[in-house]
Amino acid sequence: AQSVTQPDIHITVSEGASLELRCNYSYGATPYLFWYVQSPGQGLQLLLKYFSGDTLVQGIKGFEAEFKRSQSSFNLRKPSVHWSDAAEYFCAVGASGAGSYQLTFGKGTKLSVIP
Amino acid sequence: DSGVTQTPKHLITATGQRVTLRCSPRSGDLSVYWYQQSLDQGLQFLIQYYNGEERAKGNILERFSAQQFPDLHSELNLSSLELGDSALYFCASSPLRRGGTDTQYFGPGTRLTVL
Repeated sequence: AQSVTQPDIHITVSEGASLELRCNYSYGATPYLFWYVQSPGQGLQLLLKYFSGDTLVQGIKGFEAEFKRSQSSFNLRKPSVHWSDAAEYFCAVGASGAGSYQLTFGKGTKLSVIP
Repeated sequence: DSGVTQTPKHLITATGQRVTLRCSPRSGDLSVYWYQQSLDQGLQFLIQYYNGEERAKGNILERFSAQQFPDLHSELNLSSLELGDSALYFCASSPLRRGGTDTQYFGPGTRLTVL
C-alpha cells in the first residue's frame, strides 16, 4: 500500500525567505505525485503535479517541486514566500489500478509566515 | 474556483441522525471521489464513482453509502451518526481518461458537526 510522509508538522518562515516543504512517498510503481494547498476554511487547491518526464515541475503561485526517485521524495519549493502563502500544504500520491486514481495524503505541513 | 460544488457548506445534527451531502462535478468530469478530513485521521479516501458505477472503495464505514446519478452529481449518505463522524467531507472530480493519468479537483467541502 502507498503512503506519504510529511516530516514537518509546522514551519514558520519570514516573508521573502525561501521555502522547502518535504515529502517522502512509498509506492511500488511509478508514482503520480501532487501538492495541494488548503487555506483556512477553504477546500484543496492543486498547486502542481508530476506524472512523468521532467523531474522539476512548475506550479501555480510560483511554486515548484522536484521528483527524486532515488530518495522517494517530492519536495515543494518557493524562492520567496509571501504572507498570502500561509496555509496548510498536503503532498499526495495517486494509486493507479482498475481505473481508480485514489489519492493517499500526507498529514500536511502548516506554514506560518512572519511579516 | 475549481468548478466542483458541494452543498451544504455546514451541517449540524445530532447523534443517530442521517444526513446527505451533495456534490456536483466539473463540467465534463465523469469521476467523483469522496474524502473525509478529520483531525485524528487526516485526509482519507472514502469512495469513488465513475459514470454512475462504483469504481473503488477506501476506508468507508458501512453506515456510509454513496451514489452517482445520471446527471453525474453524487450524494454521500451518512447514517446513525456518531460524534466521531464530525469532519470535513470533500468531493473531488476528474475526467479519468482511458489509459491516462488523472487529476482531481476538489470542492470547498461540507463541514459536518455531530452533537
